[in-house]
Amino acid sequence: GQQVMQIPQYQHVQEGEDFTTYCNSSTTLSNIQWYKQRPGGHPVFLIQLVKSGEVKKQKRLTFQFGEAKKNSSLHITATQTTDVGTYFCAPNTNAGKSTFGDGTTLTVKP
Amino acid sequence: DAGVTQSPTHLIKTRGQQVTLRCSPKSGHDTVSWYQQALGQGPQFIFQYYEEEERQRGNFPDRFSGHQFPNYSSELNVNALLLGDSALYLCASSLGQGIGYTFGSGTRLTVV
Repeated sequence: GQQVMQIPQYQHVQEGEDFTTYCNSSTTLSNIQWYKQRPGGHPVFLIQLVKSGEVKKQKRLTFQFGEAKKNSSLHITATQTTDVGTYFCAPNTNAGKSTFGDGTTLTVKP
Repeated sequence: DAGVTQSPTHLIKTRGQQVTLRCSPKSGHDTVSWYQQALGQGPQFIFQYYEEEERQRGNFPDRFSGHQFPNYSSELNVNALLLGDSALYLCASSLGQGIGYTFGSGTRLTVV
């Protein structure tokens, strides 16, 4: 199946700093989804990217899909303590199978 | 509007036993996917059910089986439990190939 690598595995930031996580695939993706999982919680859907070069924003979060549809990124501007959690990218196959990366765990120091 | 409901929330089983986990999808959703999440890792896809049939399957042995009922609820069965089966089992529902999955809170299975 499709394999994705997420980097970094962990990121510690001071509140107010920016944060970026990257998701890389060796194969071209049909689309990619991003999820957030708070400590002790379950994944919560954030967004889906479909088009080459697509950029979507949700308040302080900016999601990008690479031109070659092999990579994606999530950028958070001016992190807050509520941003703490693990962020997963999940490429979708055309048949609907969603494969999750191992995630980037973000901790924010107040 | 109820979200995804999973039961039980926690379960302790002995090696070699069998377990059944249950999931009720979000109202209006007809597709159910099951994931296994080990500590510190991302959810691993087990299988997906649609119209009461297994539509997709991940790299899990036949000890893992499932079922979907006419009301779209689903069960995950694991036979001959191994210590390595200890994990959080997540159920996710969607409307067909709709955008984004809605996850339940999971069942924490511990095999001793």
